[in-house]
Amino acid sequence: EVQLVESGGDLVQPGGSLRLSCVASGFSFSTYAMSWVRQAPGRGLEWVSDISGSGLTTYYTDSVKGRFTISRDNPKNTLYLQTNSLRAEDTAVYYCAKTPYSNRAASFDVWGRGTVVTVSS
Amino acid sequence: IVLTQSPGTLSLSPGERATLSCRASQSVDSRYLAWYQQKPGQAPRLLIHAASSRATGIPDRFSGSGSGTDFTLTISRLEPEDFAVYYCQQYDGSQVTFGGGAKVEIK
Repeated sequence: EVQLVESGGDLVQPGGSLRLSCVASGFSFSTYAMSWVRQAPGRGLEWVSDISGSGLTTYYTDSVKGRFTISRDNPKNTLYLQTNSLRAEDTAVYYCAKTPYSNRAASFDVWGRGTVVTVSS
Repeated sequence: IVLTQSPGTLSLSPGERATLSCRASQSVDSRYLAWYQQKPGQAPRLLIHAASSRATGIPDRFSGSGSGTDFTLTISRLEPEDFAVYYCQQYDGSQVTFGGGAKVEIK
């Protein structure tokens, strides 16, 4: 069974940091680009970042550039999102999502259940 | 590229037909237009990719169509489990964007 399981979400103060993780199973992890997509409370979906299957290329939405870093450990089948300088507007459920492509996240065919990040003092 | 979905809420009865619109601010490559369903407390689920191709396991009452700047998701006969929020999504070679969502609610 293809599965994605996120962890690492927490309550953090503004300016703080968190590292989110996503463990993948049931497919050849290194073959596919992977993404993080977030959803603020009561709001729609927002693409955050994606990384190619090789890990060599990364992409970010403008609002997180310079603050978030996406990475992957292919032997461990794990995707990461290092989030720094967190702001209240980063509060959201963060979903890990698999794409059917090797280089870019053009669509998302498998989703995890999400991990909750709350930024508040 | 900004995606605008309409209507924001659609109130229908089981068995009725639902037609959801997604309009793009610029032309979208149909290969990179997708639709998702999301139920409360759940992750989104891919329904349609490449504008009109159903994802694995998606019933044939779901269909997608359109090109350029206008795309449509149609649910031919609503089942009780279809009442949910639907999102369109595009990729333009650099950025991924989602529409604001459209809720299909029970009338």
